[in-house]
Amino acid sequence: DTEVTQTPKHLVMGMTNKKSLKCEQHMGHRAMYWYKQKAKKPPELMFVYSYEKLSINESVPSRFSPECPNSSLLNLHLHALQPEDSALYLCASSQDPQGTQYFGPGTRLTVL
Amino acid sequence: EDKVVQSPLSLVVHEGDTVTLNCSYEVTNFRSLLWYKQEKKAPTFLFMLTSSGIEKKSGRLSSILDKKELFSILNITATQTGDSAIYLCAVEGNTGFQKLVFGTGTRLLVSP
Repeated sequence: DTEVTQTPKHLVMGMTNKKSLKCEQHMGHRAMYWYKQKAKKPPELMFVYSYEKLSINESVPSRFSPECPNSSLLNLHLHALQPEDSALYLCASSQDPQGTQYFGPGTRLTVL
Repeated sequence: EDKVVQSPLSLVVHEGDTVTLNCSYEVTNFRSLLWYKQEKKAPTFLFMLTSSGIEKKSGRLSSILDKKELFSILNITATQTGDSAIYLCAVEGNTGFQKLVFGTGTRLLVSP
C-alpha cells in the first residue's frame, strides 16, 4: 500500500456540530501532517506528528484537535467551527520527520 | 519570515509547447526545495532538490536548483493536456522537521 487515504471525501457541517476527519497510511511512515488549503491558495501547515507525538502546532485554534492513535492513523477532531474554516484539509506522511511528504486526496469541508 | 514566490501565476499554452515555471525563495537554513503537481485534490510529489546545478528528470519534466541565486525552475517539454494542473513549489528550512512553506503555485492550462 503506497498511498495516504482520507475520509470522508466531502463533509458539510453546522457550526454546532462535532465531526472528525481521518487519515491513514500503511507505508510505515513515522511522521504525519495536517494542512489546510483555501481556494486558490497554497497548503498551510497546521500540525505535525512525529513518532505519534505532536511536534508542531502552528498556532491552530483549539476548535481543531488532532489525535494520533497509532503510527498509521491521524485524526482531526472538529468542534464549533466557523464558516471561514471551510477549506480542503490535506493529510500527508513522510518516512521520518525529514523525509519527502506524500499527500492524501484531502477532505473538502464546508461549514454552514 | 520564509517566503516562496512563483511565476507566472497562470499560463496557457498549446499542446506540444515547452514551458518553464519559476520559483524563488528566501528561507532560513535552506534544506531542500520540492515541486508538487496538484490537479483536483492531492499534491503529487515531483522532485526534491537539495544541490545546486544538478538537473533532476522524470520523463518530460525536469528541474534544477540555483542555491546562489535562490531559485529553481521546472521545465515541461512537449506539453500534453494531462499536464494541466497547479504546480506548487515548496521549500524546507533545517528545523529538524520537514516544515514546508509553499508558494502560491502556477496554474498551467494546456489546450489541445
